[in-house]
Amino acid sequence: AQSVTQPDIHITVSEGASLELRCNYSYGATPYLFWYVQSPGQGLQLLLKYFSGDTLVQGIKGFEAEFKRSQSSFNLRKPSVHWSDAAEYFCAVGAGYGGATNKLIFGTGTLLAVQP
Amino acid sequence: DADVTQTPRNRITKTGKRIMLECSQTKGHDRMYWYRQDPGLGLRLIYYSFDVKDINKGEISDGYSVSRQAQAKFSLSLESAIPNQTALYFCATSDLSTPGDTQYFGPGTRLTVL
Repeated sequence: AQSVTQPDIHITVSEGASLELRCNYSYGATPYLFWYVQSPGQGLQLLLKYFSGDTLVQGIKGFEAEFKRSQSSFNLRKPSVHWSDAAEYFCAVGAGYGGATNKLIFGTGTLLAVQP
Repeated sequence: DADVTQTPRNRITKTGKRIMLECSQTKGHDRMYWYRQDPGLGLRLIYYSFDVKDINKGEISDGYSVSRQAQAKFSLSLESAIPNQTALYFCATSDLSTPGDTQYFGPGTRLTVL
């Protein structure tokens, strides 16, 4: 069965430090992969997505993610964290039929806190 | 104006009451979805609809029903609310013509069942 694991429930980093949020997936075919961010009291905003091609994907707000098929991972990175990045981050895999992502399987989320 | 809107944004109700959550979108997408979010569990799919005549159950449809009144409107109903349906509910839309059928989310409805 398809699944997404975000092993870190909560991460705290200092402002200006680098960030890596981990995501591992289980899916039989080539997955469609997504990272969403949820700021406090807000809905989910798409950060970036991977479908094919270059395994390093650039997103909004200075985030990037790298797809590693051999490790079944899609980790999110940012070289320098800003206080406004404090939020909850969700990794998701599209597990629909025929390549469609009608079924999004979400991880349980990683809550990021940023220290001044 | 937001592309995906949800009403109400917050609702408190009592056990046994019927409640409807509404979702509207101006993105022109064919596909619409309802999710619930619980702390520590991420988002789980309740129902999804690929067009006005197509309704499908998701992972956790028991206790819920939906109505797709038009391409732009998708409502979620709790026929007899119970406390464990207290959660944050999200509507999302997507269009198969866009790469990867990416889903776009509304701001959410926080529902409390007493």
